[in-house]
Formats: sequence, C-alpha cells, structure tokens
Amino acid sequence: ETGVTQTPRHLVMGMTNKKSLKCEQHLGHNAMYWYKQSAKKPLELMFVYSLEERVENNSVPSRFSPECPNSSHLFLHLHTLQPEDSALYLCASSQNRATNEKLFFGSGTQLSVL
Amino acid sequence: ILNVEQSPQSLHVQEGDSTNFTCSFPSSNFYALHWYRWETAKSPEALFVMTLNGDEKKKGRISATLNTKEGYSYLYIKGSQPEDSATYLCARNQAGTALIFGKGTTLSVSS
Repeated sequence: ETGVTQTPRHLVMGMTNKKSLKCEQHLGHNAMYWYKQSAKKPLELMFVYSLEERVENNSVPSRFSPECPNSSHLFLHLHTLQPEDSALYLCASSQNRATNEKLFFGSGTQLSVL
Repeated sequence: ILNVEQSPQSLHVQEGDSTNFTCSFPSSNFYALHWYRWETAKSPEALFVMTLNGDEKKKGRISATLNTKEGYSYLYIKGSQPEDSATYLCARNQAGTALIFGKGTTLSVSS
C-alpha cells in the first residue's frame, strides 16, 4: 500500500455521462497531482494542487474539472468526454511541491469512454 | 517541453543477468531526476531521486548514476530476478515545475 487510494479502479462511461474520480492520501502530504497514461505515451501531467490551491494546469480540456476540498482529497470531475479520453488516470501526492520530492502514486482508474 | 527519452523501450533477460537502462534529458535548467518502478497492476513506486551531478544511489541490487552536464542517467540491475520484471520510468524537472516522464523501459526477467 502506498497510502494513496483511488476509486473506482475501473470506469466505463458514455460520452454524455458525468462521473467523478476520487483520490485520497493518508500520508499528510501537501501536494497532489493528476496524471494521465494513454497507450504508448508517457505519463502526462494534468493538474497540480499545493495546499489545496491549483498551481499547475497543463492545458487540459475543460471537460476535465479538478477539485481539491482539503489536502487529503482530490477529485477529477468528468463530463462530455470523448473516446480518446480513454486512459489510465493516476493520482499522486508528495510532501510538498518541491521538485526533489518523490511522488507516491495510487493504483489508478482505468477509464473507458464509449 | 522537457523531452525525456528512455532506451531501450523493452528488453528481456535471463535470471541472473545484469542489465542497465538509459535515460536522456535536456541538461539545461536541471533540478532533479527521478526513477520509478511500475509493476503490472500496481502503483508506480519511487526508486531514487537524484539532484547532483555525479550522484550515485543504490537500493539492494539496483543502482543509478546521474550526469547532469551531458544529460543522462543510468539504472543498473545486478543479477536480475523475475520479481524485477516491471516498467522502469525516468522523470526530470526544472525548479518550480512538476515531473516530466519518459515512456519507460519494460524489463522482463525469465527464470
């Protein structure tokens, strides 16, 4: 166990659905991240939160909407997704946003958009 | 864009073989270099974080070196075991930015 829990593990949704991915960390970390893993591509950074404030938004389409209500929880709200959004979505946390700190990852949500 | 390149893309070795992978990255504005191991159906797990030119880190049979001036890092596995089978990810960043990952090297170790 890494101390970072993601739910659900698998999600199938239609293009008109609205769903949310949840991430919770039990490590007392101050920074949380959403990454996307598409087939044959490297992990792509989507969003970074530090002390509940969004500090990086990596040109992600507005159909992805993050929310960080407190330092332990991170959500990714999904609406009107496209089939090309099918991917593995990974949440991670680190003690602080400092770039020499290792990330702790969750197991990911495998998303399929039909 | 900080392109991180990893080679080889995949390799297959026999149990007991030693092996190494390469991570290449732009050397300008370097801040930190990370290595992660990602086993199938599990979460990526941090192996090493290195910041200084010439850094060498070791964890059991796995070690890594860093050359920030020429922009590369090597990951070595001595005496590979089947449980070493995984994808090994390299990532780097500049100060103030989040990690940029390479595509990884997938290692398969046969017993």
